[in-house]
Order: sequence, then C-alpha cells, then structure tokens
Amino acid sequence: AQTVTQSQPEMSVQEAETVTLSCTYDTSESNYYLFWYKQPPSRQMILVIRQEAYKQQNATENRFSVNFQKAAKSFSLKISDSQLGDTAMYFCAFMKPQFPYGQNFVFGPGTRLSVLP
Amino acid sequence: ETGVTQTPRHLVMGMTNKKSLKCEQHLGHNAMYWYKQSAKKPLELMFVYNFKEQTENNSVPSRFSPECPNSSHLFLHLHTLQPEDSALYLCASSQDRIGVSSYEQYFGPGTRLTVT
Repeated sequence: AQTVTQSQPEMSVQEAETVTLSCTYDTSESNYYLFWYKQPPSRQMILVIRQEAYKQQNATENRFSVNFQKAAKSFSLKISDSQLGDTAMYFCAFMKPQFPYGQNFVFGPGTRLSVLP
Repeated sequence: ETGVTQTPRHLVMGMTNKKSLKCEQHLGHNAMYWYKQSAKKPLELMFVYNFKEQTENNSVPSRFSPECPNSSHLFLHLHTLQPEDSALYLCASSQDRIGVSSYEQYFGPGTRLTVT
C-alpha cells in the first residue's frame, strides 16, 4: 500500500519570502500522479498543483512550483513571494491511475503553514 | 451554486440523535466521496460512489450510512454516534471514468460535526 509522509506538521514564513513544504511517499508503482491541495481556514480544499510521474519537468503554477525527485520519492512544494492568503493546511496526495481512480487517492497528514505579516 | 456544496456547515448532536449530512455537486461528475478529517490525522476515505453505486466502504462503522440517489447528490446518515466521531466530514467529487485526463477531486467546505 502507498503511504504519504509530510514531516513538517507546522511551518511559518514571512510575507514575500519563499517557503518549501516537504512530502515523501512510498510506492512500488512506476506510473502515478502527485498533488498538492490547499485548505484555508474554514474554507474548502482546492487543488494547487499536480505532477505526472512520467513527466521529468517540474510542474509550476504561478507562485507555486514543485521539486519532483522520482528516485528519491520526494515531492516538495515551493511557494514564492508568500502572501497572507497562502495561510492554510497543505496536503500532499498520491494517486495510482488505476480505475476506479478515486479509491486510489492517498493523502498525507498535512502541513499547517502560517504566513506572517 | 457552483462546485461542491455541503449542508449543514456545523452540526452538534447527542449520541442518541439521528441526523443527515448532505452534499451536492454541480460539476457533472460521476463519482462522489465521503472523507473524515480528524486533527493531526490523514484524510480517511469512508465511502465511494461511482455512477450511484457504492464501490468502496473502508470498514466504516454501521452507525454511518451513506445514500446516493443520483450522481449529483450524496447523503451521510448518522445515528448513535460516539464522541470520537467528532470531526470535519468532507464530500468530494470527480470525473472517474476510463479515458479521463484529469483525476483531481473537488471538495466541498465540509460539515464540522460535534458529538456530545
């Protein structure tokens, strides 16, 4: 079974600075998808970024980018120019693309990020 | 309404009460999910419905009873709950069919349940 680990339960960063959230996973699969979800306080969880394991190029989405190291089974999220609205719980998730797909999502325990003014 | 909605947003119930949580998705998805989110624990997948058929039940106690009348609506019926069932209950949906290019799940805001 796949597992996802987020070793940093809580982090903080000053506004406008850069922060990196770590995620490692354990799998024997060669093809899979990785996701970062963001859950702001009292608001719903939204997708931040996703990465296909067969793509070597790291995904980017505006101020959010990932460092995907397949051999090391590492998938960290970098947030540049941090903003107060980035304060949230961040969940790393792994998905094996085997139908039915929804049953094959595995989430990590989350990292609580606080952006300080 | 857009996305995934859940009602109520907050619920306090006694251990002998019966209540229901409601989820509705407006995204045209065919699969819906119930997750339990407890503090400092990973999200726990409780139930999966695909085309209204339940495809997964991760050993959830029978005091939780799901219902999916159609692909857009999902209910979670609660009865004789325990205090340890207090948590945030999240509903999600996705387009879960072979050939789809995007696998992400879309979440509702959750129902904060407190069992007294």
